[in-house]
Amino acid sequence: AQSVSQHNHHVILSEAASLELGCNYSYGGTVNLFWYVQYPGQHLQLLLKYFSGDPLVKGIKGFEAEFIKSKFSFNLRKPSVQWSDTAEYFCAVNGGDYKLSFGAGTTVTVRA
Amino acid sequence: NAGVTQTPKFQVLKTGQSMTLQCAQDMNHEYMSWYRQDPGMGLRLIHYSVGAGITDQGEVPNGYNVSRSTTEDFPLRLLSAAPSQTSVYFCASSYSVMNTEAFFGQGTRLTVV
Repeated sequence: AQSVSQHNHHVILSEAASLELGCNYSYGGTVNLFWYVQYPGQHLQLLLKYFSGDPLVKGIKGFEAEFIKSKFSFNLRKPSVQWSDTAEYFCAVNGGDYKLSFGAGTTVTVRA
Repeated sequence: NAGVTQTPKFQVLKTGQSMTLQCAQDMNHEYMSWYRQDPGMGLRLIHYSVGAGITDQGEVPNGYNVSRSTTEDFPLRLLSAAPSQTSVYFCASSYSVMNTEAFFGQGTRLTVV
């Protein structure tokens, strides 16, 4: 079974700062990769996904992620964060064994 | 289109009580799953189903039962609630196993006292 590691537990930023969240996974086969966001008190929403093709994926709200197969990584980036980006971010991996595995999550706090 | 609907949103149980968390989806998705979310641990898979009549265990199945009699519904049963089951529970569904995203319900916050 695959495992997912998110590097940062809590990130605190000021508005307009750049954000990068690390994600590594352990599965060696074909994978689907996701970043989900959970705003306070809400359910998980999909930010972006990678299935195949261009390893640089663009999602909603200005987020993007890069799949680097050789590093088993799928890092999330945003050039300039806003206060409304305060949320918890989850990396998830599907290795085709019917089990979508999540990382522990990164809490992002953006200060106005 | 309602998507994935979970009920109830909040529940308090006493230790030893049983209850069922309901999950329904109206997207004709074959794959459904239940997760629990605990601080610092992300989401952990409890049980999943790849279609009506087929269920299997996930990462943390102990203390929970599921059934899938229809495509739409996937209830999660707590047999005898324990304080360790205090958590937020999410139901999810997707069209298939690969190359598709999972849609999540709003969650059920369960407290066992």
